[in-house]
Amino acid sequence: AQSVTQPDIHITVSEGASLELRCNYSYGATPYLFWYVQSPGQGLQLLLKYFSGDTLVQGIKGFEAEFKRSQSSFNLRKPSVHWSDAAEYFCAAMNRDDKIIFGKGTRLHILP
Amino acid sequence: GAVVSQHPSRVICKSGTSVKIECRSLDFQATTMFWYRQFPKQSLMLMATSNEGSKATYEQGVEKDKFLINHASLTLSTLTVTSAHPEDSSFYICSARDYRTENIQYFGAGTRLSVL
Repeated sequence: AQSVTQPDIHITVSEGASLELRCNYSYGATPYLFWYVQSPGQGLQLLLKYFSGDTLVQGIKGFEAEFKRSQSSFNLRKPSVHWSDAAEYFCAAMNRDDKIIFGKGTRLHILP
Repeated sequence: GAVVSQHPSRVICKSGTSVKIECRSLDFQATTMFWYRQFPKQSLMLMATSNEGSKATYEQGVEKDKFLINHASLTLSTLTVTSAHPEDSSFYICSARDYRTENIQYFGAGTRLSVL
């Protein structure tokens, strides 16, 4: 069955430190891949996406993600986090014209 | 980027009443819209897929008579929670697929439903 796994439920980093959020997927073929961010009581905002081509994808707010086919991973990174980055992050995947499947989410906490 | 407006953002109602939630794509046409339910500290659960001009496709376990979906135009889909009960209290989020940007879904801000 198709699935998206985010192994870390919570991540805590200090402001200014680097960040990596993990995401693995299980699909028959490489799906479209997404990272979304959700602030409390809000909807989801698209950070970045991967459809094909360059495996290092740049997104908004200084985030990037790297697609690694051999590891079925699509990890999200940011070189230096800001307090405003504290939120819930969802990795998601979908096949073309199919429904999107979300991971369970990783809650990011920022220490001052 | 594409904007999806969801209204209301919060609604409190008495048990047994019906509540309608609107989802609008403001600057693009959405042939497909999606309705999700999110429980506290959990991921999004797809409830149904709504296609303009046709009946919605519901996920397994979702009561179509309880959650009525209408997608009458390319920019508007509505979810009506009929005869709401406290167990229907949840955060409901819609999304719309922008056909121009190929399979990207844009999300509304969500509706917090509290049934007393």
